[in-house]
Amino acid sequence: AQSVAQPEDQVNVAEGNPLTVKCTYSVSGNPYLFWYVQYPNRGLQFLLKYITGDNLVKGSYGFEAEFNKSQTSFHLKKPSALVSDSALYFCAVRRYNFNKFYFGSGTKLNVKP
Amino acid sequence: EAQVTQNPRYLITVTGKKLTVTCSQNMNHEYMSWYRQDPGLGLRQIYYSMNVEVTDKGDVPEGYKVSRKEKRNFPLILESPSPNQTSLYFCASSLSDQETQYFGPGTRLLVL
Repeated sequence: AQSVAQPEDQVNVAEGNPLTVKCTYSVSGNPYLFWYVQYPNRGLQFLLKYITGDNLVKGSYGFEAEFNKSQTSFHLKKPSALVSDSALYFCAVRRYNFNKFYFGSGTKLNVKP
Repeated sequence: EAQVTQNPRYLITVTGKKLTVTCSQNMNHEYMSWYRQDPGLGLRQIYYSMNVEVTDKGDVPEGYKVSRKEKRNFPLILESPSPNQTSLYFCASSLSDQETQYFGPGTRLLVL
C-alpha cells in the first residue's frame, strides 16, 4: 500500500533558526513527491516538487527539500525560519504511472519571534 | 485570475438530504480531484478525473459520486449524506497528474 508519514504533529522553532519538517513515504516504483502549505482558513498552496533529476529541490519562499531514495524520505528545510512561515505543511506522493495522490497527516510549524 | 472555485463554502445539512458541491477551474486543466481533510488524517483523495468523462476512485470514494461532463467543472455529489461525511472538502486541478495541483478554498460540511 502506498502511504506517506509525517512523524511530527508539530515542530517549534525560533525565528532565524533553521527548520526541518520530516516526511517519509512508502510507494512501489518511482515516486513523485510534493510539499504543500496551508494557512488558516485557506486552501493548500504548492511549495515544491520532485519528479526526477537533482535530489535537492528548491521551491517557493526559500524552502528546499532533499529526495533520499535509500531512506525513502523527502524532508522540507529552510535555513532561516520566519514567523510568517507558521502554518500547516503537507507532504504528498504519487506513484509513477498511477493517478492517485497520497497525503501525510500534516505538520504544524510554529515559528516564535 | 487563474483559480479554482467551490460552492458553497459552508453547508449544514441533515442526514439523507442529497447535496452537490460544485467545483470549477478556469485554467483548462485536464486533471481534477476531490479531497476531504480531517484532523489527524491529512487529506484523503475521494475521486479524481483525468479528463472529460474519465473519472476514477481515490482512497475514500464510499458515499460519494462525481461527474465530469465539461472540462472546467467537477461536482461532488453526496446522494445520502451521513454524519461521518462531516469534513472539510477541497477540489484541486492541474494540467496533468504530474503537475502542481491548484486547490480551491474549501467547503466545510456539517451533516446532522
